Amino acid sequence: EVQLVESGGGLVQPGGSLRLSCAASGFTFSGYEVNWVRQAPGKGLEWVSYISSSGGAIYYADSVKGRFTISRDNAKSSLYLQMNSLGAEDTAVYYCARISRGIHYFDYWGQGTLVTVSS
Amino acid sequence: EIVLTQSPATLSLSPGERATLSCRASQSVNSYLAWYQQKPGQAPRLLIYDASKRATGIPDRFSGSGSGTDFTLNISSLEPEDFAVYYCHQRSNWPRTFGQGTKVEIK
Repeated sequence: EVQLVESGGGLVQPGGSLRLSCAASGFTFSGYEVNWVRQAPGKGLEWVSYISSSGGAIYYADSVKGRFTISRDNAKSSLYLQMNSLGAEDTAVYYCARISRGIHYFDYWGQGTLVTVSS
Repeated sequence: EIVLTQSPATLSLSPGERATLSCRASQSVNSYLAWYQQKPGQAPRLLIYDASKRATGIPDRFSGSGSGTDFTLNISSLEPEDFAVYYCHQRSNWPRTFGQGTKVEIK
């Protein structure tokens, strides 16, 4: 069974940093592109970042570029998101989402981890 | 950035009725558009990809159409479990974007 389990969320002060993790299981992680997608409370979905299967290609939303860094460790079947200079606008549930190799859309999502930026 | 505009924001319907949801792109996305369903407290679920192809396990009451800039998601006869928020999403260009969502609520 494919599983994506996020962790690392919590309460952080404005200007602070946080590192999210996503542990993958039930599939060969190294063969898949993965993303971070977030959802502010009561709001819609916002794509945050993408990383290719090898880590050689990376993209970011303009809203996080220069502050967030996506990475992966294929040996550990894990995805990461280093978030720096956090602001209230970054408060959201953060999901990791796998891209299907066949159809190239998000086919599996984690349950999400909540990041709250507040003093 | 490609902006996806969904309409209406809210659709109030009864079970058994037909739902028609719209998604308009600010520039052509060809057929690289998907629809996701999200229920409260849950992650999104892929329904339709490449504008008109149903994802694995999705009932045939869900159908998608369109290409270029105008897309439609139809639910032929609403079941109780279909009341949720629906998002369109494009993978034509970076950055990837989502529409703001259409909530299908029970009338």
